[in-house]
Amino acid sequence: DAGVIQSPRHEVTEMGQEVTLRCKPISGHNSLFWYRQTMMRGLELLIYFNNNVPIDDSGMPEDRFSAKMPNASFSTLKIQPSEPRDSAVYFCASSRDRGNTEAFFGQGTRLTVV
Amino acid sequence: GENVEQHPSTLSVQEGDSAVIKCTYSDSASNYFPWYKQELGKGPQLIIDIRSNVGEKKDQRIAVTLNKTAKHFSLHITETQPEDSAVYFCAAPFGYKLSFGAGTTVTVRA
Repeated sequence: DAGVIQSPRHEVTEMGQEVTLRCKPISGHNSLFWYRQTMMRGLELLIYFNNNVPIDDSGMPEDRFSAKMPNASFSTLKIQPSEPRDSAVYFCASSRDRGNTEAFFGQGTRLTVV
Repeated sequence: GENVEQHPSTLSVQEGDSAVIKCTYSDSASNYFPWYKQELGKGPQLIIDIRSNVGEKKDQRIAVTLNKTAKHFSLHITETQPEDSAVYFCAAPFGYKLSFGAGTTVTVRA
């Protein structure tokens, strides 16, 4: 398996623009997580899907953030409109089960909002 | 939710010496404790994990110890090498979530 695949690897956008980050989890994994990593706040869980259903989105910072998982092999995280404080590295991770099994992380998307 | 504290935040060791990172957790129901290594420009990768039914686990130069009574667990890296330089994260589950420590930046000096 190629692991968790995220795209794009880098994204630079202007404030106010819409940004869409993409993730392909490992085949057979039923849990998918979106994390945000910053120097100030470390790794923050944004949203968790189980069997394509959003279970907990309490970590999504604002209504500007939304996530979807239309099928078991694809998820998106959208920011609309983007702001400079959204600049961070966004990771997608998947696992075979919930929090007590190994989570496999993608390479991340480095987002810069100018 | 689960509160995971990790110390130290930075650690510089001479090549060949040992490195120890410590974490404490708050939820006594936690039963799975992974350690992740993050290299520059990459996502975190699991390097070792331990479940609550054992007190210690080793994998070559790395080991993890768990003290459930005190609610802390530690990562030990022996005979450190330059490729061990990275950021290390501990984590503990809270329900379906993994709560991560703040990370330890390890630098191995040649």
